[in-house]
Amino acid sequence: NAGVMQNPRHLVRRRGQEARLRCSPVKGHSHVYWYRQLPEEGLKFMVYLQKENIIDESGMPKERFSAEFPKEGPSILRIQQVVRGDSAAYFCASSAETGNNQPQHFGDGTRLSIL
Amino acid sequence: SQQGEEDPQALSIQEGENATMNCSYKTSINNLQWYRQNSGRGLVHLILIRSNEREKHSGRLRVTLDTSKKSSSLLITASRAADTASYFCATAVLQGAQKLVFGQGTRLTINP
Repeated sequence: NAGVMQNPRHLVRRRGQEARLRCSPVKGHSHVYWYRQLPEEGLKFMVYLQKENIIDESGMPKERFSAEFPKEGPSILRIQQVVRGDSAAYFCASSAETGNNQPQHFGDGTRLSIL
Repeated sequence: SQQGEEDPQALSIQEGENATMNCSYKTSINNLQWYRQNSGRGLVHLILIRSNEREKHSGRLRVTLDTSKKSSSLLITASRAADTASYFCATAVLQGAQKLVFGQGTRLTINP
């Protein structure tokens, strides 16, 4: 499967714990994007990364949320001290090197539930 | 901030009929893309239309773009039960074209 791989598919955390969501982009893609989707809503942009660099994090909350895309390994979206409002589906997408006018390829998402 | 809006929010038709979904947006764009999402799954890219294009076809899909009205439409011809899904338009703005702005989506149900 050469598509975007996200894990875990489902993640349950208690309030105050940390959530780590992983994303492996399409092989050869160096642009990664994270989106959040609440039930019955569209996706909301969170952060855009290229290898080792955060390019645009305008949609990501300033506190508790962080993202990285290391030189080796998957991209990680990290949520510290989770709260009930963090419950959502988190989608990762990737695109090819040139980026502009390129479609984004999405993973099947991680559904985060906060107890 | 820009926000796409799809119309209608929900659409239910008989198999074989055509389905038309509309999308409006607010700011200048680089391109507009349509995606499909099956329940519990990620988004599947359907078609990308650039700001200098007016119409694009892909199989049973036809997309139009009217930049003067800031609107787009997605037409699915000869619908099938497998087309049942949510459909989203997403715009890539001129500045920061990597960031897609999604609408709320149209939930399409094809009745056999």
